[in-house]
Amino acid sequence: QVQLVQSGAEVRKPGASVRVSCEASGYSFTSYAIHWVRQAPGRGLEWMGWITAGNGDTKYSQKFQGRVTITRDTSASIAYMDLSGLRSEDTAVYYCARNPLGTTELDNWGQGTLVTVSS
Amino acid sequence: QSVLTQPPSASGTPGQRVTISCSGSSSNIGSYTVNWYQQLPGTAPKLLIYSDNQRPSGVPDRFSGSKSGTSASLAISGLQSEDEADYYCAAWDDSLNGVVFGGGTKLTVL
Repeated sequence: QVQLVQSGAEVRKPGASVRVSCEASGYSFTSYAIHWVRQAPGRGLEWMGWITAGNGDTKYSQKFQGRVTITRDTSASIAYMDLSGLRSEDTAVYYCARNPLGTTELDNWGQGTLVTVSS
Repeated sequence: QSVLTQPPSASGTPGQRVTISCSGSSSNIGSYTVNWYQQLPGTAPKLLIYSDNQRPSGVPDRFSGSKSGTSASLAISGLQSEDEADYYCAAWDDSLNGVVFGGGTKLTVL
């Protein structure tokens, strides 16, 4: 079955960077895209960007442009989301989600990774 | 302020039918299909409806979606206590060149 397993919770100080990983299994990794979505405590969902796992093409939300980088390792079927210049407002649960190419739906989601930014 | 507009809350009694609206514009719902996600308390979102009105395998037919112009709706019939969750609509947006979500609707089963 399709699974997206994310790395564990992280605590960072303001100004630092964080990397969250998303390991995929149960399907052909390079035939799909991976999106990253975050959710601040008690808030709604916010799209950050995506990567086409096959060719590595990326697209980012204007809000995070310059601070977020999404990459992938096709040999290990892992996608990564790096976020730099962390501030307290970046405290959130970060989700990866699979997207069938040519569609807009996110059909499988990771379990989420809590990133806490605190001095 | 979310690009797609949803009511913050909705409620119903068991067995009732409830609908949740999602309003957008020509750059998102008016041009692209709408997807709906269900988020049970403390869990990751789950795809509930895709391509406006399609249900993924395993989603009960009590859940249905529709779209007209720049608005979409999610209907839940035969409401059950386990339907208590947050519901989000989403679509691609040409102006923002990315995915946009509604602010979410918290459904309470009374």
